[in-house]
Amino acid sequence: KQEVTQIPAALSVPEGENLVLNCSFTDSAIYNLQWFRQDPGKGLTSLLLIQSSQREQTSGRLNASLDKSSGRSTLYIAASQPGDSATYLCAFLMDSSYKLIFGSGTRLLVRP
Amino acid sequence: DTGVSQDPRHKITKRGQNVTFRCDPISEHNRLYWYRQTLGQGPEFLTYFQNEAQLEKSRLLSDRFSAERPKGSFSTLEIQRTEQGDSAMYLCASSQLAGASNEQFFGPGTRLTVL
Repeated sequence: KQEVTQIPAALSVPEGENLVLNCSFTDSAIYNLQWFRQDPGKGLTSLLLIQSSQREQTSGRLNASLDKSSGRSTLYIAASQPGDSATYLCAFLMDSSYKLIFGSGTRLLVRP
Repeated sequence: DTGVSQDPRHKITKRGQNVTFRCDPISEHNRLYWYRQTLGQGPEFLTYFQNEAQLEKSRLLSDRFSAERPKGSFSTLEIQRTEQGDSAMYLCASSQLAGASNEQFFGPGTRLTVL
């Protein structure tokens, strides 16, 4: 059974800092990994998707990496801004499955 | 197309009442999913449709829950005899059958409060 852990649970940083959010998983038989952003009381916005055969994906100031051998994924946010404040969730789609398995998220606050 | 839509956005009901939520997926998306999210947790899978066929149901989906996708387009999720433990955000997502990524796109959710 896949177990997903996100560390830290909460993070507060000053504006402009580069930061890394961590996601660890126990079962490497994954099909893909998605990183999502969720604003309070809202739905999920897909940020990046990494296929199992890929190592990383980039979109603007965001870079996500996947290391199946160590059971880790990281989301790197460069030059953080107050508008980046949200909860960030990682989720895995396993081989031969349709359902995403989510971590509990990291709540990020970027202080002006 | 502006993405996945859900209705209503908020629902307050009394314990024991029935509620129904609607989800309209992105057009041309064959796959539709329902998830439930409680405060401080990540979403948990409830059920999955491919076109009009319900192919998977979670053990979280008790007999009081039923989901349909009658014409392979929009879907409804009904909760009968609601309980306070049903209070949560109910999220709908859709993805394309074709294509390798199976990227799931989420709607804004329906926030249910059971008093």
